[in-house]
Amino acid sequence: AQSVAQPEDQVNVAEGNPLTVKCTYSVSGNPYLFWYVQYPNRGLQFLLKYITGDNLVKGSYGFEAEFNKSQTSFHLKKPSALVSDSALYFCAVREGLTGGGNKLTFGTGTQLKVEL
Amino acid sequence: GAGVSQSPSNKVTEKGKDVELRCDPISGHTALYWYRQRLGQGLEFLIYFQGNSAPDKSGLPSDRFSAERTGESVSTLTIQRTQQEDSAVYLCASSFGVPNTEAFFGQGTRLTVV
Repeated sequence: AQSVAQPEDQVNVAEGNPLTVKCTYSVSGNPYLFWYVQYPNRGLQFLLKYITGDNLVKGSYGFEAEFNKSQTSFHLKKPSALVSDSALYFCAVREGLTGGGNKLTFGTGTQLKVEL
Repeated sequence: GAGVSQSPSNKVTEKGKDVELRCDPISGHTALYWYRQRLGQGLEFLIYFQGNSAPDKSGLPSDRFSAERTGESVSTLTIQRTQQEDSAVYLCASSFGVPNTEAFFGQGTRLTVV
């Protein structure tokens, strides 16, 4: 069964500093990995995805994520955090199994707080 | 519409009543998901539809919960005999039926059981 772990409930960072939100996954086949952001009282917005190829994926709002197969990780990063980045971030995975399989499994979320 | 549409946006119901939540996916999206999000918590998978395949109901918390989907169109999530612990935001998402595509979420239905 596929699963996702986000080990940190909350990450605090000062504006202008780099940020990292951690995610590790477990799948049987090839992973397809996604990051979403949720602002207060809003639905989830897609940020970026890894499907194949370059391990460093760039997405919306200056975010990027690094796929590491050996560590089964897909950490979200941004070189310089903004106060407006404060939100709840979710990592998600699908398995690329032969014959299909499209269930999307989410982690428990990490609250990012960027302070002045 | 261009996005996933959910209705109603808010629903207050009395304990013991049945409620029906609706999701209109993006046209052409064969996969449709329902999740539950309790206040300040993560996403709890409920059910997943993929085309004409049997739905994955493994996340439904009890037999009071059921969902249907008409072909590759509208889905309804029904909660019978609502309980206070059912209070949450119910999120619907849809995607193309291949694993390398992202899912798009609706704004959710906030259900309050009083």
